[in-house]
Amino acid sequence: NAGVMQNPRHLVRRRGQEARLRCSPMKGHSHVYWYRQLPEEGLKFMVYLQKENIIDESGMPKERFSAEFPKEGPSILRIQQVVRGDSAAYFCASSENPGPYSYEQYFGPGTRLTVT
Amino acid sequence: GESVGLHLPTLSVQEGDNSIINCAYSNSASDYFIWYKQESGKGPQFIIDIRSNMDKRQGQRVTVLLNKTVKHLSLQIAATQPGDSAVYFCAGIGSARQLTFGSGTQLTVLP
Repeated sequence: NAGVMQNPRHLVRRRGQEARLRCSPMKGHSHVYWYRQLPEEGLKFMVYLQKENIIDESGMPKERFSAEFPKEGPSILRIQQVVRGDSAAYFCASSENPGPYSYEQYFGPGTRLTVT
Repeated sequence: GESVGLHLPTLSVQEGDNSIINCAYSNSASDYFIWYKQESGKGPQFIIDIRSNMDKRQGQRVTVLLNKTVKHLSLQIAATQPGDSAVYFCAGIGSARQLTFGSGTQLTVLP
């Protein structure tokens, strides 16, 4: 049973370009979460999605960032017109049942985005 | 709002000794806490969790203690091994039902 998969593992973009990060949840999981981790810091929640729905995007920057989780295919985190401050590790997690006490989220290996 | 933090950014222990990693939180509405282990270049890995109606929970070589009076929790690792070297995060869930992570403690196990 494959775990959460993310690709690419490393992504280099020049300022102004677009970055697309992909996440395939664990088999049977229909809930996906995206987090951002800056160097020497903990993970910061960005967005929570179910299939075809954004449930909570309170951690997403208002501009340039968007996320989707289509009926078919992986979840995508899209960053338009990247800036140096977007350089970070982006982690995806998935869960089966995110009830009040079912927060066992399984994390992927992350995508390390570098903006030059 | 919710705030979760850690006391020390680094901790070094001798192999075989016990490790204690501490965490404080500010939101008394937090009702669920999780400890994660993150090795270099990898995503966080679930270690153990605890609900707010508990004071202590034990796993294999790990124990989490929760003191709601002073809003403090700790992770104890017994007989620390080289493979335990990693960054450890506590994370809490409050009214917003989001995971809020602390900044992490880098545990280094010395031979």
